[in-house]
Amino acid sequence: QKEVEQNSGPLSVPEGAIASLNCTYSDQGSQSFFWYRQYSGKSPELIMFIYSNGDKEDGRFTAQLNKASQYVSLLIRDSQPSDSATYLCAVNMNSGGYQKVTFGTGTKLQVIP
Amino acid sequence: KAGVTQTPRYLIKTRGQQVTLSCSPISGHRSVSWYQQTPGQGLQFLFEYFSETQRNKGNFPGRFSGRQFSNSRSEMNVSTLELGDSALYLCASSLQTGPFSNYGYTFGSGTRLTVV
Repeated sequence: QKEVEQNSGPLSVPEGAIASLNCTYSDQGSQSFFWYRQYSGKSPELIMFIYSNGDKEDGRFTAQLNKASQYVSLLIRDSQPSDSATYLCAVNMNSGGYQKVTFGTGTKLQVIP
Repeated sequence: KAGVTQTPRYLIKTRGQQVTLSCSPISGHRSVSWYQQTPGQGLQFLFEYFSETQRNKGNFPGRFSGRQFSNSRSEMNVSTLELGDSALYLCASSLQTGPFSNYGYTFGSGTRLTVV
């Protein structure tokens, strides 16, 4: 079992729709969770972090966390073609008392105009 | 403020050679992490440095090593290069570190290493 799992996609949604990206993780003790966006040929950039169960909203983005189910998701409302990118889920895992941020392989999102 | 600077941007090396990559973090950031990114494996953790000390290391062979200097700049070295080492190497800096840290990474543009 991979430490952080994501559906590789591609996930295709029409412009204006809600895109839902999902991530599961294996380490029950993990406390901090991040979403990064990576455009083709570019480096990942941080878009959201969440550490409490429930929802966290930032503009068109909502991160959702359920620690009991070891599940993190990212919702993108009113999807735009500029949102087309690969979305990486990252989990901060405790490794010997130090952080070890483990990434999923990413979900490719395509927003169709 | 200046971002994370990685040099060089591109490298072509021959099998068996060694290579050194450099990373200058954002001013004030003392945590520097290195990742290898390949199409098949995604982002794989190499190591993390904080205040000149290696805090953690991923599952890579001993040919991969790194260090951090007093000004927080970091280098990673790969010796005896293999074809499979061809990848994008990303450096990421962070203000704080720790298993409960909520500080995310700022990534550099990466060094694209090709081993022939």
